[in-house]
Amino acid sequence: NAGVTQTPKFQVLKTGQSMTLQCAQDMNHEYMSWYRQDPGMGLRLIHYSVGAGITDQGEVPNGYNVSRSTTEDFPLRLLSAAPSQTSVYFCASRLIDSNTEAFFGQGTRLTVV
Amino acid sequence: AQSVSQHNHHVILSEAASLELGCNYSYGGTVNLFWYVQYPGQHLQLLLKYFSGDPLVKGIKGFEAEFIKSKFSFNLRKPSVQWSDTAEYFCAVSYQAGTALIFGKGTTLSVSS
Repeated sequence: NAGVTQTPKFQVLKTGQSMTLQCAQDMNHEYMSWYRQDPGMGLRLIHYSVGAGITDQGEVPNGYNVSRSTTEDFPLRLLSAAPSQTSVYFCASRLIDSNTEAFFGQGTRLTVV
Repeated sequence: AQSVSQHNHHVILSEAASLELGCNYSYGGTVNLFWYVQYPGQHLQLLLKYFSGDPLVKGIKGFEAEFIKSKFSFNLRKPSVQWSDTAEYFCAVSYQAGTALIFGKGTTLSVSS
């Protein structure tokens, strides 16, 4: 049981480049979400999904797109990377309608130069 | 807006000292409460959680937290810290089962041996 798997672990992008951060979970969790972690800011919610085909914006969605074609996968896309998107990104999943915690991936450290 | 406040940005303790980290949340309805820990370079791991019942909850590694509904607080405690407790600690709340966690900005704990 791998839990939540994120790839890549590290990435350097040039301003204006695009990329996709991958997230997969094998726990059959309906709810998946993406956070970014910046020093002194805690974790801020970017986008979330309550099931396949359903996504919604979180606190800081600008510059990011998501899709949810399957229960397992929830990729995060940066269409045109900016230095302000330099951050550590965490994917998380949890069951809906259940008092359980969220499980986190190992994170992706992204640097935009 | 719903929010979580962690009172201490950086706490420095000597080994064997007692620890208390403050956490307050902004909404007075039914809440699920969590403390997560992030060791240097690692992802978030659950320390403990509160959903209902006994307001004093015990977690891993000797940590405990007390939910005080009248104060909207969920403070984290440990009677005697160890050098290995050096990490960043996040308080989080969800206002509906299975939905997004809202995080505080985190408290960095440094324990000297």
